[in-house]
Amino acid sequence: KQEVTQIPAALSVPEGENLVLNCSFTDSAIYNLQWFRQDPGKGLTSLLLIQSSQREQTSGRLNASLDKSSGRSTLYIAASQPGDSATYLCAAPGGGARQLTFGSGTQLTVLP
Amino acid sequence: EAGVVQSPRYKIIEKKQPVAFWCNPISGHNTLYWYLQNLGQGPELLIRYENEEAVDDSQLPKDRFSAERLKGVDSTLKIQPAELGDSAVYLCASSLNGQETQYFGPGTRLLVL
Repeated sequence: KQEVTQIPAALSVPEGENLVLNCSFTDSAIYNLQWFRQDPGKGLTSLLLIQSSQREQTSGRLNASLDKSSGRSTLYIAASQPGDSATYLCAAPGGGARQLTFGSGTQLTVLP
Repeated sequence: EAGVVQSPRYKIIEKKQPVAFWCNPISGHNTLYWYLQNLGQGPELLIRYENEEAVDDSQLPKDRFSAERLKGVDSTLKIQPAELGDSAVYLCASSLNGQETQYFGPGTRLLVL
């Protein structure tokens, strides 16, 4: 059974700072990993999807990396802005299955 | 293009009452998912549909929960009877042909008193 852990659970940084969110998973037989953003009271928005053949994926100020051998992924946010404040969740398939297992998320607050 | 639509957005009921949630996926998406999200946790899959067929419902508490997607488009999730522990956000998502990117609706926030 896939288990996904995200550290830290909450993070507060001043505006402009670069930051890294961490995600670890127990079953490395995955074909991709996804990062989502969730704003309070809203659904999830897909940010980045990394295929197992890729080591990283970039979108604007976001960069996600994947290391299957160590069971880890990181989400790097450059030059953080108050609008980046949200909960960030990573999700991995359950060892080949199409079911996604989500972490509990990291609640990010960017202070102006 | 319209996103995933869910209704109602909020629902307050007393325990032992029935409740139903509705989801309309993105047009053309044949895969539909229902998730449950507790406060401070990530979503947990309840059921996945490929067209009108439920292909993964192992996490659905079948004694009180039921779901249907009769025409392979919109879907309804029902709880009968509701319990206090069912208070949570119920999220619907859809994807194209089971491809990995899932698009989520805003969710239905259920409070059972």
